[in-house]
Amino acid sequence: RKEVEQDPGPFNVPEGATVAFNCTYSNSASQSFFWYRQDCRKEPKLLMSVYSSGNEDGRFTAQLNRASQYISLLIRDSKLSDSATYLCVVNQAGTALIFGKGTTLSVSS
Amino acid sequence: NAGVTQTPKFQVLKTGQSMTLQCAQDMNHNSMYWYRQDPGMGLRLIYYSASEGTTDKGEVPNGYNVSRLNKREFSLRLESAAPSQTSVYFCASSEGAGEGTDTQYFGPGTRLTVL
Repeated sequence: RKEVEQDPGPFNVPEGATVAFNCTYSNSASQSFFWYRQDCRKEPKLLMSVYSSGNEDGRFTAQLNRASQYISLLIRDSKLSDSATYLCVVNQAGTALIFGKGTTLSVSS
Repeated sequence: NAGVTQTPKFQVLKTGQSMTLQCAQDMNHNSMYWYRQDPGMGLRLIYYSASEGTTDKGEVPNGYNVSRLNKREFSLRLESAAPSQTSVYFCASSEGAGEGTDTQYFGPGTRLTVL
């Protein structure tokens, strides 16, 4: 079983749509969870950390379910500028981050 | 404040050649990392350094060596390049001592092709 799994997509949505990405992780001892965003041919950048109680940053909402080892990212009112690859990231053994392969989102007008 | 810088941005090597990828950060971070990113594989950790003077292997260290020259700089060396090392290489840094719990900041990447 892969350590961090994501649906690769692509997700093709119109502007204004709501879209949700899911991610599962295999290491139950994982402690920290993140969503990174990567634009085409650019470096990854932190989008948001994911907390146990769930957290929101504007149009973005992240949820964590430790029992199911599941992380989600919800994007409301999608913008053209949201088009990117979204990486689910989990820490392992306190020393290394494990990156999912990413989910590609394409928002069209 | 430039963040994380990497040189070169692009490089083409022939099989068997050697080269060093340079990385520097100006955020006074303790930890630095080298990743490679291949299509369909995601980011994979090559080596990391939790503090000046220490380095540790990541998931895919074979064929690479690293040097943490000082707190700012972390270099990655390919002693004898192979076509399988064709990839995009990202350097990253974080404030903590390698616990994996804090934000990592990435450089712009080096696109390496080995013929």
